[in-house]
Amino acid sequence: EDQVTQSPEALRLQEGESSSLNCSYTVSGLRGLFWYRQDPGKGPEFLFTLYSAGEEKEKERLKATLTKKESFLHITAPKPEDSATYLCAFNSGYALNFGKGTSLLVTP
Amino acid sequence: GAVVSQHPSRVICKSGTSVKIECRSLDFQATTMFWYRQFPKKSLMLMATSNEGSKATYEQGVEKDKFLINHASLTLSTLTVTSAHPEDSSFYICSAREDSVETQYFGPGTRLLVL
Repeated sequence: EDQVTQSPEALRLQEGESSSLNCSYTVSGLRGLFWYRQDPGKGPEFLFTLYSAGEEKEKERLKATLTKKESFLHITAPKPEDSATYLCAFNSGYALNFGKGTSLLVTP
Repeated sequence: GAVVSQHPSRVICKSGTSVKIECRSLDFQATTMFWYRQFPKKSLMLMATSNEGSKATYEQGVEKDKFLINHASLTLSTLTVTSAHPEDSSFYICSAREDSVETQYFGPGTRLLVL
């Protein structure tokens, strides 16, 4: 069965403390691996789409990478405003299937 | 960037009444829109796929007669929760996929509380 598994479930960082979030996937015929950010009480905000192993994309303090088995969301020198739940998802062919997310808290 | 709006953002209704939620793609056309439901501290659960001009496709376990979906134009999809009950209380989120692009853009969500 196709699925994505995110780890850790929750992560607490101090401001400036870089780290990575993991999204492991087992998907036959991957048609895109997506990263979203979700703030409490709001809809997910699109961050990145990755299509092939070796691909990397960056946006401000975030960088997403993709291998044949997993994707990483690297957060460099995070700030408190980066606190949110980060979701990864794969395209099943017609809809997105989401992982359970990583809840990130960045403290000053 | 692509913008999707939802209305209302929050609604409280009495048990037995119906509630309509609108989802609009503001700056792009979307042949396909999606409706999700999210429980507290849980991930998004796909309810149905809405296709412009045709019937929606519902996920297993989702009652199509209870959650009516209409996608009458390339920028608007509506979800009507019929005869709402307290167990229908949840956070409903729509998304729209720009034609020929894989990425889905999400609306801000609608918080439904059924008393």
